Order: sequence, then C-alpha cells, then structure tokens
Amino acid sequence: DIQLTQSPSFLSASVGDRVTVTCRASQGISSYLAWYQQKPGKAPKLLIYAASTLQSGVPSRFRGSGSGTEFTLTISSLQPEDFATYYCQQLNSYPRTFGQGTKVEIK
Amino acid sequence: QVQLVESGGGLVKPGGSLRLSCAASGFTFSDYYMSWIRQAPGKGLEWVSYITSDSSSIYYADSVKGRFTISRGNAKNSLYLQMNSLRAEDTAVYYCARRATLDVWGQGTTVTVSS
Repeated sequence: DIQLTQSPSFLSASVGDRVTVTCRASQGISSYLAWYQQKPGKAPKLLIYAASTLQSGVPSRFRGSGSGTEFTLTISSLQPEDFATYYCQQLNSYPRTFGQGTKVEIK
Repeated sequence: QVQLVESGGGLVKPGGSLRLSCAASGFTFSDYYMSWIRQAPGKGLEWVSYITSDSSSIYYADSVKGRFTISRGNAKNSLYLQMNSLRAEDTAVYYCARRATLDVWGQGTTVTVSS
C-alpha cells in the first residue's frame, strides 16, 4: 500500500499568512493526488485534484503543486473560513490511502 | 442540486450486521463511480470501498475485505454497503462520495459497534 505522510500535523497561523502543507508518498504516484478540506462536524470538501487542478468554486488562494512523491498545498493568504483540517489522498492505486491530516488553527 | 444522502447507521453489537444506503439525486447516478469512506471518532479519513458505474470492478480496503460488500442499484439511484461481522474498530461516520476524486460527499451516517 502507498503511504502518505503529511507535514506538519498541526500548524498555528494568522489571518493573512501564507500556509504550506506537504504530502509525501512512499512511492511515486505521478500526479494522482487530491486535497480535501474538512471542518468540524462536516463532510470533507474537494479542493484540488490531479495535484494542481482547482475544483470548481474553490477560491484561487488555494494552490496545489508537485508530482511523483512530493506535493504541496499552499494557501496564499489565510482567511477565517480556511481554519480546518486538510487531507491529501492518492488515486494512483488501491487502496486509495489518505494522509493523516493537517489541522490549521488560529494563532 | 447534486446531493448524496446516507442512511442506515445505528448501534450494533460486535459480530452483527448493518446495511448502509446512499441515495443520489441531481445527477445521472449510473454514469458515475462511487465510493465509501469512513472516519472513526477523532481520527482521520479512511477509504473503504469503490465501485465502478456498471459494478464491473469493485475494490476494498484490507481492513474490511471479506466482511463488507459494496453494491449499487442504478435504477434506484442508490449505493449500498453491507457490513457483516462488525467490530468495535468499525465504529465511525460513514460517507458516500461520487467519483474517485470524491467531488461530492454525503453528510454521513454514524455506525457504533458496541456491546
């Protein structure tokens, strides 16, 4: 199985900050990676697929990049509604594993 | 609007069975692959199972293989998850989602396995 390791697991940031979350795969997955945002008590929401393609309706401050084994999710200017937990998921092979999550909290 | 609504969760004893349903609306259900994902209390997301649009290919996580069965009824716009031999570690919120990229999610249904 492909393992995904996100870093950091937790980060504290302020409104307006630039935030970067990293997802590393245990083996190459080309660009078969998606990012999701989950707020407490809610279902996750797709932000980015194919490593860098923004899902319709997602603000342009979210950006995904990377290929192979290293990927990043960048929020260019953190907004109050962005405080949430973020997950990466690989779609290269089965089982479709998720990273452990990165919780973004208000500093 | 595009919507997925799960049902069928509840409290069940270890070793018991439960059948989850996911009702789809607002899109042509028979055109889409579908997935089940779960989240244990306070934990991260775990992919559970996946079925192609015509049910020709099905995949499971190792943790549920042999105990859970995914199926769909395209005429009824519904996705199902039959869960047998349930264990305490199956306690979670279960979500259905559309496509491999999980672009649409339901609100989830809670399964609690406890004696």
